[in-house]
Amino acid sequence: GAVVSQHPSWVICKSGTSVKIECRSLDFQATTMFWYRQFPKQSLMLMATSNEGSKATYEQGVEKDKFLINHASLTLSTLTVTSAHPEDSSFYICSASFLAGDSGEQFFGPGTRLTVL
Amino acid sequence: GQNIDQPTEMTATEGAIVQINCTYQTSGFNGLFWYQQHAGEAPTFLSYNVLDGLEEKGRFSSFLSRSKGYSYLLLKELQMKDSASYLCAVRLNQAGTALIFGKGTTLSVSS
Repeated sequence: GAVVSQHPSWVICKSGTSVKIECRSLDFQATTMFWYRQFPKQSLMLMATSNEGSKATYEQGVEKDKFLINHASLTLSTLTVTSAHPEDSSFYICSASFLAGDSGEQFFGPGTRLTVL
Repeated sequence: GQNIDQPTEMTATEGAIVQINCTYQTSGFNGLFWYQQHAGEAPTFLSYNVLDGLEEKGRFSSFLSRSKGYSYLLLKELQMKDSASYLCAVRLNQAGTALIFGKGTTLSVSS
C-alpha cells in the first residue's frame, strides 16, 4: 500500500513556542491531505482538510490562526501549532488520499505525539 | 450533527469469533471504513463497504446495511495480536474527502 511519513514522531516543547509537523506521501501524489487530532482513549477528530495549492478547510472549533496548514506540493503538507499550550498536547495524525478506484482510501502517517510543558 | 456509535470495549479469547457493531446517522454517506489501531500508532486500513452486503478479507469480514445505518466487523480465529482498537469511519461525500470516526472499540484478546 501507499506510504505516508510524519516528522517528527514525537516532540516536547515549552509553552508559547511553535511546533511544525511534516506529513509526506512517499510513493504517490496526494490530491488531498487531512489532519486529525487524537486525545487519549478518544477517537480521531478531523481538524482540517488540505488541498495542494489552496487554503485549508478547517472544521468547526479549530482555530485556523493557531493551527497553520501549508500544502506546498502534492507530497508535502505541514501543520504548525503556534504558541502551543499544554492543552494542545495530543497525538496528531495526518492522512493522504488519492483517488484509487472507487475507494479513495486514506493512508495514515505514523502520527506525531506533541507534549507541551 | 454526525453520529457514529460503537461499543467501547469487548473481550474475547484466542481462536474465537468476535463481531464489532457500528451504527451511524450521518448527513451523507459514501462508504464505510474499518481501521485497526494499536496503542500509540496510526490506524491501518482493514476494509471498505459502499454497497450492502458482506466483504471478506481473510480472517476479517465487514458487512453493511445502508437502509439500517449499520455495519459490523467480524474477526475470526482471533489471535493475541488482534488486541487493538477498531475504528468505524464514514465518508460523507465523494471519494477523497474526510472521514468521520466513531470512538472506537477496544478489543482485548486473552489466551
